[in-house]
Amino acid sequence: EAGVTQFPSHSVIEKGQTVTLRCDPISGHDNLYWYRRVMGKEIKFLLHFVKESKQDESGMPNNRFLAERTGGTYSTLKVQPAELEDSGVYFCASSQDIYGYTFGSGTRLTVV
Amino acid sequence: EDKVVQSPLSLVVHEGDTVTLNCSYEVTNFRSLLWYKQEKKAPTFLFMLTSSGIEKKSGRLSSILDKKELFSILNITATQTGDSAVYLCAVRDSGAGSYQLTFGKGTKLSVIP
Repeated sequence: EAGVTQFPSHSVIEKGQTVTLRCDPISGHDNLYWYRRVMGKEIKFLLHFVKESKQDESGMPNNRFLAERTGGTYSTLKVQPAELEDSGVYFCASSQDIYGYTFGSGTRLTVV
Repeated sequence: EDKVVQSPLSLVVHEGDTVTLNCSYEVTNFRSLLWYKQEKKAPTFLFMLTSSGIEKKSGRLSSILDKKELFSILNITATQTGDSAVYLCAVRDSGAGSYQLTFGKGTKLSVIP
């Protein structure tokens, strides 16, 4: 079984630019999650999709972040415009039920 | 707001030592506590604990939950260099956001030969 795939693995952009992160969940997993780890802090929840619907987006920091999951397959997380404090590692995870979370390897975003 | 505190933040041991990692939590309506191991990239699942006093075991790793005192420990016996990683503790509550995990900062374990 292929795991959760995230692309790119690392992105360096300038402040004010736009970046789009992609996550391909495990096939058949209806639940998809985005989390973020800012340096020195805990991994924090951003949002949860069930198929193509946003079930919970309570962790999204502000309206510069836009997540989509068209067709209920892969998901994208766009940051526009990026700020310095957006730097961190963005993790995606997927699950079929409430128990079996599988995480991707993360995208390290550096905003300079 | 749910909260997870792990200790120590960092630990260096020699191969063969036994280590105990701590996780204390505050959660409104507790559902489960999970342990993950993160080497270089993706956190990988170790244990899920829901009931007090029942030890979960996998090889040299074991974990137990105390719901009265609101903590869990992760034990690793006869440590090996391959155990070097960040160990993450997370809790899930049973409320409206029950799919969310609340993480601690992790314990970075370094095992030296």
